[in-house]
Amino acid sequence: SQTIHQWPATLVQPVGSPLSLECTVEGTSNPNLYWYRQAAGRGLQLLFYSVGIGQISSEVPQNLSASRPQDRQFILSSKKLLLSDSGFYLCACFRQGGGTNYGYTFGSGTRLTVV
Amino acid sequence: GQQVMQIPQYQHVQEGEDFTTYCNSSTTLSNIQWYKQRPGGHPVFLIQLVKSGEVKKQKRLTFQFGEAKKNSSLHITATQTTDVGTYFCAGVRGVSGTYKYIFGTGTRLKVLA
Repeated sequence: SQTIHQWPATLVQPVGSPLSLECTVEGTSNPNLYWYRQAAGRGLQLLFYSVGIGQISSEVPQNLSASRPQDRQFILSSKKLLLSDSGFYLCACFRQGGGTNYGYTFGSGTRLTVV
Repeated sequence: GQQVMQIPQYQHVQEGEDFTTYCNSSTTLSNIQWYKQRPGGHPVFLIQLVKSGEVKKQKRLTFQFGEAKKNSSLHITATQTTDVGTYFCAGVRGVSGTYKYIFGTGTRLKVLA
């Protein structure tokens, strides 16, 4: 089964500072990978997805960027954080096999507070 | 763009009471999934519905996909304190290989012992 490692668990950063969140996946190869953001008490907003190395699609215009330097590594970055970037960031991998769709496997998430 | 709404936003029930959350999409869906997020945790996949009018059960949970494939519901019978959390539906329109699911707004369930 797939396992997603995401770190750090919590992060407090000042406005204007850079950001780098890393996500790695175990137990699968060539996965579809996703970055979601969840504002406090809200739903999940898809930020980026990737179907392969170097292939990134952005879903919403924003202050963030994503990269996929390796098959099972997905990185979320920002050059200068804004207060509005605060939230719960979740990395996810889509799992399917044998014609069956098993849905997303999410990492444990990073709670980012920009101060 | 595609929108997925859920009602109610919040629900408080006494332990033992039933609970239902409804999911409505602005467009016809290829399939719909349900997730549960415990307080402080991350969403966990519960189930997927694909066929029009499909009904699936997991113990005390009953999931239904509408005939028009634009709405879905999750019903919990005799809630327990372990059911506490936020329930999300997530839908996708086509089969494109990108599996970009749009999540609903979620229903936060609180169970009072």
